[in-house]
Amino acid sequence: RKEVEQDPGPFNVPEGATVAFNCTYSNSASQSFFWYRQDCRKEPKLLMSVYSSGNEDGRFTAQLNRASQYISLLIRDSKLSDSATYLCVVVGANDYKLSFGAGTTVTVRA
Amino acid sequence: DTAVSQTPKYLVTQMGNDKSIKCEQNLGHDTMYWYKQDSKKFLKIMFSYNNKELIINETVPNRFSPKSPDKAHLNLHINSLELGDSAVYFCASSQGSGVQETQYFGPGTRLLVL
Repeated sequence: RKEVEQDPGPFNVPEGATVAFNCTYSNSASQSFFWYRQDCRKEPKLLMSVYSSGNEDGRFTAQLNRASQYISLLIRDSKLSDSATYLCVVVGANDYKLSFGAGTTVTVRA
Repeated sequence: DTAVSQTPKYLVTQMGNDKSIKCEQNLGHDTMYWYKQDSKKFLKIMFSYNNKELIINETVPNRFSPKSPDKAHLNLHINSLELGDSAVYFCASSQGSGVQETQYFGPGTRLLVL
């Protein structure tokens, strides 16, 4: 089983729609969780950290479910500029190593 | 004033050659990393250095050798290049090596081995 698994998508949504997707992780002792965003042929950039209590940053909401070992990202009121690949990142329990998922591609259409 | 820079941006070379990729960060960070992103888009960590000392060394062929002359630079030298080395290589840095550190990535080096 891969350390971090994501639905690759693509999720094709119209502008203004809400889109949500999950990421599962295999190591129950993982300590930290992030969502990174990667535009086509560009480097990954931090979108947001994921906290146990869930957190929001504008139109983006991240949740962590430790019991079921998944994190989620919800994007409200999608914009064309939200089109990207969203990478789930899990930090190892002992080695602080970041493990990346293969990404979920979101395409927002006009 | 790019925070994390890599050179070259593109590298096309023949099998068997030796090549180097350079990385520099001007953020004053203590920790630097090399990642490989293959055709399936998986980003996998290869190495991590903290204050010029190796702290993460994944199962990477020993043809790959990182070198950190100072904490602002982490270069990657690859000997005897193979077809399977074709990928995008990203350098990254973070303030420290803790669990909540944000990593800042360079623009990537697209390596194609023919």
